[in-house]
Amino acid sequence: EVHLVESGGGLVKPGGSLRLSCAASGLTFINAWMTWVRQAPGKGLEWVGRIKSRAEGGTVDYAGSVKARFTISRDDSKNTLYLQMSGLKTEDTAVYYCATSDMLLYWGQGALVTVSS
Amino acid sequence: DIQMTQSPSSVSASVGDRVTITCQASQDINNHLNWHQQKPGKGPKLLIYDVSDLETGVPSRFSGGRIGTHFTFTISNLQPEDAATYYCQQYDKIPLTFGGGTKVEIK
Repeated sequence: EVHLVESGGGLVKPGGSLRLSCAASGLTFINAWMTWVRQAPGKGLEWVGRIKSRAEGGTVDYAGSVKARFTISRDDSKNTLYLQMSGLKTEDTAVYYCATSDMLLYWGQGALVTVSS
Repeated sequence: DIQMTQSPSSVSASVGDRVTITCQASQDINNHLNWHQQKPGKGPKLLIYDVSDLETGVPSRFSGGRIGTHFTFTISNLQPEDAATYYCQQYDKIPLTFGGGTKVEIK
């Protein structure tokens, strides 16, 4: 059974930084494309970005709203996906989910990030 | 970016009713269309992939289809545990995009 567990959420001031982690189990992580999706309070789902497997180049794509501020990376030795967020804005306040592939077959339970002064 | 227009935004129905949600893409997405269910306080869950294929373990009262340029999601014989928000999602092109969601309430 696939499990995705996000961690690292919290309260951060505007302009600050935070790193989220997503620990994966039950899948061959090294072959998996991984995705971050966020959901602002009371709103719908928004794609943040995705990283391909290293075998397929490890390419990363980002939503325009986070490009140049967020960095997605992975540590295949730890079966862990990361989302490094910097230059945070109040509009980045959301629950952040990790999910598998572009089909979003499996989702985590989410990590809440609150950007407020 | 591909826009996904989903309707209605909410629906209220009784146990045993049939509920249908539609989603339209702004361009051809080659049937790369999924439906996700999200219950309050939980992460979403994939129910249907590639327009009409049911994910393993998903009850058969859930179904998906296509009528012309509109994609459909139907819950037949609505159950109390189906109260949730449902989202369509295209994965044909990056950025992945979602419909605005449909909140299904049980009368």
